Amino acid sequence: DSGVTQTPKHLITATGQRVTLRCSPRSGDLSVYWYQQSLDQGLQFLIHYYNGEERAKGNILERFSAQQFPDLHSELNLSSLELGDSALYFCASSVEGNQETQYFGPGTRLLVL
Amino acid sequence: DQQVKQNSPSLSVQEGRISILNCDYTNSMFDYFLWYKKYPAEGPTFLISISSIKDKNEDGRFTVFLNKSAKHLSLHIVPSQPGDSAVYFCAASAQISGNTGKLIFGQGTTLQVKP
Repeated sequence: DSGVTQTPKHLITATGQRVTLRCSPRSGDLSVYWYQQSLDQGLQFLIHYYNGEERAKGNILERFSAQQFPDLHSELNLSSLELGDSALYFCASSVEGNQETQYFGPGTRLLVL
Repeated sequence: DQQVKQNSPSLSVQEGRISILNCDYTNSMFDYFLWYKKYPAEGPTFLISISSIKDKNEDGRFTVFLNKSAKHLSLHIVPSQPGDSAVYFCAASAQISGNTGKLIFGQGTTLQVKP
């Protein structure tokens, strides 16, 4: 158990819909990262938040957004969902944000039908 | 543009033998490297890391070697155990990226350790 929690574990929805994925970092960690793992790709970095502020963006679609709240939990919002958004979404956390081990949650499996 | 590459999709070894997983990178700015293990339906689990100021780091049965001139790192598992069977990912980050430790991952290598 990494100490990072993600909900829900599974999510099935339809194209065009909007979903919210939630992540709680390890106690004491200020950084939260979101990654996407599609069937034909490895883990792709989406976005990094540190203590409530956005630090870096990867190839995150404009339909996707994220935020980190004062209690340090984070939410990833996916809207206007397409079939290709079906993937595993992982959240990771670390103490600060650079040259550190990131600890991953169990992931949310999203299926868009 | 794949900056971190794991060219072997799979590897099969006998229990008790050495497993060697390889990873190549193209970005010379990468200065921190990690290996993760992943079981199906679980998140990646951290195994071992190495900073670019070192060329070797050891933790129990796991050793990571870094060859900066060749832009190559490898993970050695000795002795291999059936419970090591999983997908192994190498990942890299660059401090020059600013105040972020975003990781760039390879595609993964599936290790099977046969009893």
